[in-house]
Amino acid sequence: EPEVTQTPSHQVTQMGQEVILRCVPISNHLYFYWYRQILGQKVEFLVSFYNNEISEKSEIFDDQFSVERPDGSNFTLKIRSTKLEDSAMYFCASSEGPITYEQYFGPGTRLTVT
Amino acid sequence: GIQVEQSPPDLILQEGANSTLRCNFSDSVNNLQWFHQNPWGQLINLFYIPSGTKQNGRLSATTVATERYSLLYISSSQTTDSGVYFCAVVWGTYKYIFGTGTRLKVLA
Repeated sequence: EPEVTQTPSHQVTQMGQEVILRCVPISNHLYFYWYRQILGQKVEFLVSFYNNEISEKSEIFDDQFSVERPDGSNFTLKIRSTKLEDSAMYFCASSEGPITYEQYFGPGTRLTVT
Repeated sequence: GIQVEQSPPDLILQEGANSTLRCNFSDSVNNLQWFHQNPWGQLINLFYIPSGTKQNGRLSATTVATERYSLLYISSSQTTDSGVYFCAVVWGTYKYIFGTGTRLKVLA
């Protein structure tokens, strides 16, 4: 069964550094998403991406964050100048279509900022 | 915005017991999924269930969209069922809005 994959599974970085989290969505999916979960809290939406542009973003997704689909298979989340409060689990998801379509989640990348 | 509340917040069961988890939402939704977050933090998709009833082994789910709730049933619980169960809804646009979660612990 096709699945969403994410790399790395765990990333440790120092405050102020840039990180890139990588995702490979399911191949025939057109909509891509990033979510974040701070330890012990619920999962929060960050951004959705379709047709090479952001379709929606939350108030969390400020200028520190950016997303890109650099080729036909990868979908990346870049965090510039990381802060301690960026420590969280980051989930990538993809779907065939919007709104009424099932979203498939990857296993997550645990980001630790020290 | 929409509120997605889950109950109970915490649940402890003996192995073999049955349980019902509830997800209430405050407005009409376009989509609903149930997830299990395992102890390693991974989100496992259990059911895509915007309406109706589905079953998968010991798990089943029912969504009554007109009354704005969904139920997840776990029968004959096992220790591997432990973790956090989330429901998530799509309201209006693309994103999932996750519920508050039910933390389940199954004791051997």
